Amino acid sequence: DTEVTQTPKHLVMGMTNKKSLKCEQHMGHRAMYWYKQKAKKPPELMFVYSYEKLSINESVPSRFSPECPNSSLLNLHLHALQPEDSALYLCASSQDPASGGHRDYYEQYFGPGTRLTVT
Amino acid sequence: GESVGLHLPTLSVQEGDNSIINCAYSNSASDYFIWYKQESGKGPQFIIDIRSNMDKRQGQRVTVLLNKTVKHLSLQIAATQPGDSAVYFCAENHLSGSARQLTFGSGTQLTVLP
Repeated sequence: DTEVTQTPKHLVMGMTNKKSLKCEQHMGHRAMYWYKQKAKKPPELMFVYSYEKLSINESVPSRFSPECPNSSLLNLHLHALQPEDSALYLCASSQDPASGGHRDYYEQYFGPGTRLTVT
Repeated sequence: GESVGLHLPTLSVQEGDNSIINCAYSNSASDYFIWYKQESGKGPQFIIDIRSNMDKRQGQRVTVLLNKTVKHLSLQIAATQPGDSAVYFCAENHLSGSARQLTFGSGTQLTVLP
């Protein structure tokens, strides 16, 4: 199973709402990632979790709050978002957070994303 | 057909022709370079990668070329097919602290004409 799943596929929320995005993988990967992708733009890294600990936070506003409850799950909690936060949110995972050496270790597998619209 | 990546984000080629997609990168510390394909409504999908100590790598119908002198990467797709229509991103993979990080280039939309 080389699949990363994300729920929901689509989410519409108001600026005062609180919602969460969910990501799951069962490949035994120890690194998980959140990316934000605006239309016609490349994915931009938001957060990296390494062995369930937050390793990289790319200066993301506090209205985005990541959580890694266990090695298979990654959540992104959303609160008081702005319309400019509307984007495709992608989750990815890789076998080893830091290893190079072989593609098996560093290749990131991406989920299909959650299309978020903030009204 | 050929694109210049950052400056020409769309590339249209006839089915059966070869495609060349170009990319410039910036981080000299990157030790892997990867090409991803992203179809509409899907996440990026790994196509091929190359280590920084190589200058060419071939896969099935795809070839990646790396020129570290000018920090340039290209993806060649042979005998382009309609299923190749997608956005193609190059990405640099480098170690940042205790975790590896991917930085994506701007992407090129490839359209295969019948």
